Amino acid sequence: DTGVSQDPRHKITKRGQNVTFRCDPISEHNRLYWYRQTLGQGPEFLTYFQNEAQLEKSRLLSDRFSAERPKGSFSTLEIQRTEQGDSAMYLCASSLVRGDTEAFFGQGTRLTVV
Amino acid sequence: GENVEQHPSTLSVQEGDSAVIKCTYSDSASNYFPWYKQELGKRPQLIIDIRSNVGEKKDQRIAVTLNKTAKHFSLHITETQPEDSAVYFCAASIGGGGADGLTFGKGTHLIIQP
Repeated sequence: DTGVSQDPRHKITKRGQNVTFRCDPISEHNRLYWYRQTLGQGPEFLTYFQNEAQLEKSRLLSDRFSAERPKGSFSTLEIQRTEQGDSAMYLCASSLVRGDTEAFFGQGTRLTVV
Repeated sequence: GENVEQHPSTLSVQEGDSAVIKCTYSDSASNYFPWYKQELGKRPQLIIDIRSNVGEKKDQRIAVTLNKTAKHFSLHITETQPEDSAVYFCAASIGGGGADGLTFGKGTHLIIQP
């Protein structure tokens, strides 16, 4: 599969626990984005990377959230001290900087905080 | 920041009829407007996009129009088929191709009645 892949697909965690999600973008894509989608809503932008540099963070990204893309390839999104309001689908997308500018989405990680 | 409004939230049409979904945006600097289709439990997939230097774009049964002056854009699906049933999201961004993140509308649930 040469598309964007995310792991795990589903995660159930207890409130207060830390969770980490992984995203592997399309190999030649140098831009990587994280979005959050709750039921009945459109995806909401969280942050994006160009290569290994994190270039923008949304106000939605509280200090409990941290994202990394250490080698400019895969990325991780960590949520510390999870709260019930963090329950959502976390989507990763990737795109090229120039030329083909379509953002391709992964299947997402569905987080449930109980 | 950018704000994207999308209407209607639900649209039911008879198979074979046309469907129109409308979006407005607030930031006149936005110059890239994609439309994504999301089937239940699946990833958003790009179906068509338009840039601000173009007023209309068509791809088979799907067309998008853009009015920069009024800051609105619309998706038109002709000869609707059952497989068109899904949630459709419009989005807007500055810099093209998801650069700096896409701002999505809340989505339109399109139902094709047989």
